[in-house]
Amino acid sequence: GENVEQHPSTLSVQEGDSAVIKCTYSDSASNYFPWYKQELGKGPQLIIDIRSNVGEKKDQRIAVTLNKTAKHFSLHITETQPEDSAVYFCAATQNTGNQFYFGTGTSLTVIP
Amino acid sequence: DVKVTQSSRYLVKRTGEKVFLECVQDMDHENMFWYRQDPGLGLRLIYFSYDVKMKEKGDIPEGYSVSREKKERFSLILESASTNQTSMYLCASSGNQPQHFGDGTRLSIL
Repeated sequence: GENVEQHPSTLSVQEGDSAVIKCTYSDSASNYFPWYKQELGKGPQLIIDIRSNVGEKKDQRIAVTLNKTAKHFSLHITETQPEDSAVYFCAATQNTGNQFYFGTGTSLTVIP
Repeated sequence: DVKVTQSSRYLVKRTGEKVFLECVQDMDHENMFWYRQDPGLGLRLIYFSYDVKMKEKGDIPEGYSVSREKKERFSLILESASTNQTSMYLCASSGNQPQHFGDGTRLSIL
């Protein structure tokens, strides 16, 4: 089965700096890679996703890059703000509606 | 907007009790999932269901069962609760779109 590894487990940045979270996956058949943000007391919320036919996707201050050859994908947050503080999860799957394989999460703290 | 509702935010039960966690979604999604979330371990899949009355084991099904009698409702059952089942439980649903999560039930087994 698929195995997703996520690093780092914790990350602290100064407000305004960039943050990068990296994930690797093992199954070359995986073709959909979502990122979720979980705020305190809430369930995970989808913030951005990428499919295997695309190398990069951007939505305002967040972007995701995918390297299929190396089997890794990354989340980039620019100009971080205190409200970006949360736990972020990456995931991989072969089918959008089916089982997702999640990374172990990154706790991001943005220091004002 | 998709809404996934978990019946309880916090629950305290005793060892040996039979515990029911309920989840309801309002978007007519075929697929529903139960995860548990523990620090450092991420989200681990317990059971999932692709249709009414269908269920599939996830990665950690031991000690749990599920019920899906109606499309919108997916129940997680702890047959005989144990302290190592103290955790945050998350329900999710999906159709052809990515999974949408509820806000979780924090379950404590004393």
